Amino acid sequence: AQKVTQAQTEISVVEKEDVTLDCVYETRDTTYYLFWYKQPPSGELVFLIRRNSFDEQNEISGRYSWNFQKSTSSFNFTITASQVVDSAVYFCALPLSSNTGKLIFGQGTTLQVKP
Amino acid sequence: GAVVSQHPSRVICKSGTSVKIECRSLDFQATTMFWYRQFPKQSLMLMATSNEGSKATYEQGVEKDKFLINHASLTLSTLTVTSAHPEDSSFYICSVLNSYNEQFFGPGTRLTVL
Repeated sequence: AQKVTQAQTEISVVEKEDVTLDCVYETRDTTYYLFWYKQPPSGELVFLIRRNSFDEQNEISGRYSWNFQKSTSSFNFTITASQVVDSAVYFCALPLSSNTGKLIFGQGTTLQVKP
Repeated sequence: GAVVSQHPSRVICKSGTSVKIECRSLDFQATTMFWYRQFPKQSLMLMATSNEGSKATYEQGVEKDKFLINHASLTLSTLTVTSAHPEDSSFYICSVLNSYNEQFFGPGTRLTVL
C-alpha cells in the first residue's frame, strides 16, 4: 500500500538555523516519484521538487536540499539558514499509483521560523 | 510550471444551497485535473479525478452525487457541492497534471457553510 509518513507535526526554529523535515514512505512500486510541496498561510500549494526513485543523488536548490535514501525509504528535506518566509506547512507526497498522477500526501509538517 | 486559478477564493453559503467552484488552467491544456479537500490542520485528501470530455472518477467514500464535477474543456473544471451542509466546510483545491506527471495547484477555495 502507498503511504507517506511525516512524523514531525510541528517544528519551531530561530531564523538562520538549519532545519530538516523528515519523510518516510511505503510503496509497492519499483519505480516511483516523490514530491515536496510548500503550503504558506495563504493556502496555495507550491511545488518544490519531484524526484525519481532511480536517481538517488542529493539535490540542492539554493537553501533547499533533499536527501533521498531508497534503502531507508526516506526523502528528507533540509532548509539551511532558515528565514521567516520559510514558515509554512510542508508536505511530502507519493503517487497513489503509477501513471495516474494521483498523489497521496503525508500529514504535513508545520515549520515556524521565528525572527 | 502551470498557472492555475480558482474562483471564488472564498465563499460562505447557507446550509442546503449549492456552490460551484471553478478551476482554470491558464497556460496549459489540462486533460486531467484533480480535486482535493483539506480540513483545518489536516492533509490534502484526493476527492476525484476530473477528465476532460468524460465522467469524473471519484475516490472511495466521496459521494459523486454530492460533489458534481464537470470538465467541459481543456482549461476548465468545475466542482459543485450540492445541498451543502456545515460538515462540507473545507478548503477545496484543484490541480492540473502535466505530461511529466507533475501537479500544479490552484490557490484553493475556502467554503464555509452556515
